[in-house]
Amino acid sequence: AQTVTQSQPEMSVQEAETVTLSCTYDTSESDYYLFWYKQPPSRQMILVIRQEAYKQQNATENRFSVNFQKAAKSFSLKISDSQLGDAAMYFCAYRSDSNTGNQFYFGTGTSLTVIP
Amino acid sequence: DAGVTQSPTHLIKTRGQQVTLRCSPKSGHDTVSWYQQALGQGPQFIFQYYEEEERQRGNFPDRFSGHQFPNYSSELNVNALLLGDSALYLCASSTRGSGATDTQYFGPGTRLTVL
Repeated sequence: AQTVTQSQPEMSVQEAETVTLSCTYDTSESDYYLFWYKQPPSRQMILVIRQEAYKQQNATENRFSVNFQKAAKSFSLKISDSQLGDAAMYFCAYRSDSNTGNQFYFGTGTSLTVIP
Repeated sequence: DAGVTQSPTHLIKTRGQQVTLRCSPKSGHDTVSWYQQALGQGPQFIFQYYEEEERQRGNFPDRFSGHQFPNYSSELNVNALLLGDSALYLCASSTRGSGATDTQYFGPGTRLTVL
């Protein structure tokens, strides 16, 4: 089974600064999808950004961008111009491209604190 | 456009009881996945329903069962509750048929407490 590792249980960042959250994964597949989800105290998991493994270009969504290193099996999330509303748990997730299985494998999460 | 909805929001049960959780997928989605999220952990996949059948299952015992209805909504049933079943149960919807999506959209979850 695929595994997803988030080695930073907690991170903090000053408001308006930049922070990078780390994620590594283990897989033998060549085609897959990677995601970052945000879970605020309200509990709702919100999609932040997604990346297809076959695309070399790193995904970007406004202040959020990823650094996808396929050979290293690394998928980090960079949050620029951090805002108070960015405070939440962030989960990295992996999804196979297989037709027989599209379940998500999640990491254990990184709790992000934004300091005013 | 309604997103994924779940009911109830909170639930308290005692050991040995049975519980049913409900989920309505996002409009246009035909696939429902259920996840268990223990406190301080990432979500763990329980199973996925598509075309009213269980298509995939994670490493959960048979006490966990489900159902999908013709309108794509789904139920998660847990029998003989254990203290360790206390968790946030998340439902996620996606499309597996025509116009399949690779992204799952999550509901707000049901917080189950087993005493």
